[in-house]
Amino acid sequence: DQQVKQNSPSLSVQEGRISILNCDYTNSMFDYFLWYKKYPAEGPTFLISISSIKDKNEDGRFTVFLNKSAKHLSLHIVPSQPGDSAVYFCAAMGGSEKLVFGKGTKLTVNP
Amino acid sequence: GAVVSQHPSWVICKSGTSVKIECRSLDFQATTMFWYRQFPKQSLMLMATSNEGSKATYEQGVEKDKFLINHASLTLSTLTVTSAHPEDSSFYICSARPPSGSFYEQYFGPGTRLTVT
Repeated sequence: DQQVKQNSPSLSVQEGRISILNCDYTNSMFDYFLWYKKYPAEGPTFLISISSIKDKNEDGRFTVFLNKSAKHLSLHIVPSQPGDSAVYFCAAMGGSEKLVFGKGTKLTVNP
Repeated sequence: GAVVSQHPSWVICKSGTSVKIECRSLDFQATTMFWYRQFPKQSLMLMATSNEGSKATYEQGVEKDKFLINHASLTLSTLTVTSAHPEDSSFYICSARPPSGSFYEQYFGPGTRLTVT
């Protein structure tokens, strides 16, 4: 049973526009959420995170929004750049150090 | 930044043989390392957590006698897939946490593609 779901396998946006990547979760025990970016032939790298006590966290061009009642979070990238093209993984933690990952969304930013 | 390496990056082996994958933290000491497996178009699934000098903790459904994990030093953890079968073909990826790191802090290696023929 997939506890963290990324329902869009891919997303394509134009350079300079906003990229919105979505993630849903089912386990109400999750209290910390993370986004990772992965380039081909490299491991995932940490991008941004949010605690369940917050509904927004911003870091430069990246903002993560959390809607606890809907068990939904999203990652906004503004403005999108071609170098942002990668696979983005949503992950969640709750009560332990274990990360539960979604399947990932492949973002392509077109010049 | 913290760098984690894996060796080999890809390996092909025959069914019934064993394969060892190494995970090294290059510029920090890792008291905790994690091993994940990712099947095509699936998410990374945690297989086991290893702490230096102690036995690994395996996730439900992961056979500890088949996937042997050794975390013998603060910079090296190994995963040995014993008596490999074609269904073990997958992408194996490790991560490491520095001792001073936050509870969510993990640095990932580039992964190892295992193909069992």
